[in-house]
Amino acid sequence: EAQVTQNPRYLITVTGKKLTVTCSQNMNHEYMSWYRQDPGLGLRQIYYSMNVEVTDKGDVPEGYKVSRKEKRNFPLILESPSPNQTSLYFCASSLSPTSGEETQYFGPGTRLLVL
Amino acid sequence: AQKVTQAQTEISVVEKEDVTLDCVYETRDTTYYLFWYKQPPSGELVFLIRRNSFDEQNEISGRYSWNFQKSTSSFNFTITASQVVDSAVYFCALPGPLQGGSEKLVFGKGTKLTVNP
Repeated sequence: EAQVTQNPRYLITVTGKKLTVTCSQNMNHEYMSWYRQDPGLGLRQIYYSMNVEVTDKGDVPEGYKVSRKEKRNFPLILESPSPNQTSLYFCASSLSPTSGEETQYFGPGTRLLVL
Repeated sequence: AQKVTQAQTEISVVEKEDVTLDCVYETRDTTYYLFWYKQPPSGELVFLIRRNSFDEQNEISGRYSWNFQKSTSSFNFTITASQVVDSAVYFCALPGPLQGGSEKLVFGKGTKLTVNP
């Protein structure tokens, strides 16, 4: 089954404790992206990757890191989480990013609570 | 800059009623795509439809239909004979501008639809 998977789905952590949210897709997609969803602010892009070893900042990259060592994986790293990073996180992928010519498919989401 | 407005924050209907969710967008691109996604209470984002700006024909998929009107920059979504399982937040989205920024989707704030039995 074609899908985007994220782990963990739920996470409660404390301020400053490094964490990684994994994202994997099995569709051989070149493009992957991370969004966060917050009440009243909607969905905002954190980072994206056009292909292996190519990543770039989205609208709200502060406090996050990413890497794209393999085509299928795009982990999101919070080196020192803070309470303002409490959010619902989505990973997305598409065959290419070309202005919507390809549909972006989203993972199931990761609910993160930083105490 | 790209912008998507979903003016209806919340809509509540009774089962079997028809309901239309509005989406108005702004873009300077002459060619673009529009999307609708559904977010059920379980939280995932489910792709519903992608439309090309060249194609203004209405699209129908079962109880779902979409009305795209370029003249009014609207891409409205209608659910016919709504069911409780349609209860969700619905998002309209459009890619960022062709000249940089097209690598993301710009989402509206969403419309929360509640279908009561």
